[in-house]
Amino acid sequence: DSGVTQTPKHLITATGQRVTLRCSPRSGDLSVYWYQQSLDQGLQFLIQYYNGEERAKGNILERFSAQQFPDLHSELNLSSLELGDSALYFCASSVIQENTEAFFGQGTRLTVV
Amino acid sequence: ILNVEQSPQSLHVQEGDSTNFTCSFPSSNFYALHWYRWETAKSPEALFVMTLNGDEKKKGRISATLNTKEGYSYLYIKGSQPEDSATYLCAFSAGGTSYGKLTFGQGTILTVHP
Repeated sequence: DSGVTQTPKHLITATGQRVTLRCSPRSGDLSVYWYQQSLDQGLQFLIQYYNGEERAKGNILERFSAQQFPDLHSELNLSSLELGDSALYFCASSVIQENTEAFFGQGTRLTVV
Repeated sequence: ILNVEQSPQSLHVQEGDSTNFTCSFPSSNFYALHWYRWETAKSPEALFVMTLNGDEKKKGRISATLNTKEGYSYLYIKGSQPEDSATYLCAFSAGGTSYGKLTFGQGTILTVHP
């Protein structure tokens, strides 16, 4: 158990809908990262937050947004969902931003039908 | 676009064999190189974070080396066991404002046969 909690574990929703994925980092970790793993793709970095502020951004679609709250949990919002958004979404956390290992949650499996 | 390449894509070895795989990454603007182990139906687990050219790190039977000047890292597993079967991922972070962003390779899938 990495100490990173993601909910829900599985989500099935229809195209055009909006969903929110939630991540609780390990106790004491200030940095939260979101990754997407689609079929036949490696882990793709979406976005990083550090102590409530956005720190780095990957190829995150405009339909996707994220935030980190004062209690350091983070939410990834996916809207106007398309079939191609079906993927495994991972959250990871680390103590600080740099040079430290990141601990991954179990992931949320999103299926868009 | 940062390219992180891992080779081979997959590897089958017998129990007791030693093995190694390669991660290639951009040699400019290097910040850190991470290795992760990802077992099926689980989440990636950090093995090493390496930052200095010439770094060597070891955890049990697994070790890694880093050459930032030529842009490669090797992961070695000595005396492979069936429980070592997993996908091994490397991830690169560049310096500057995006050092929090990890660019992952596609991974090397290791299968250790009893």
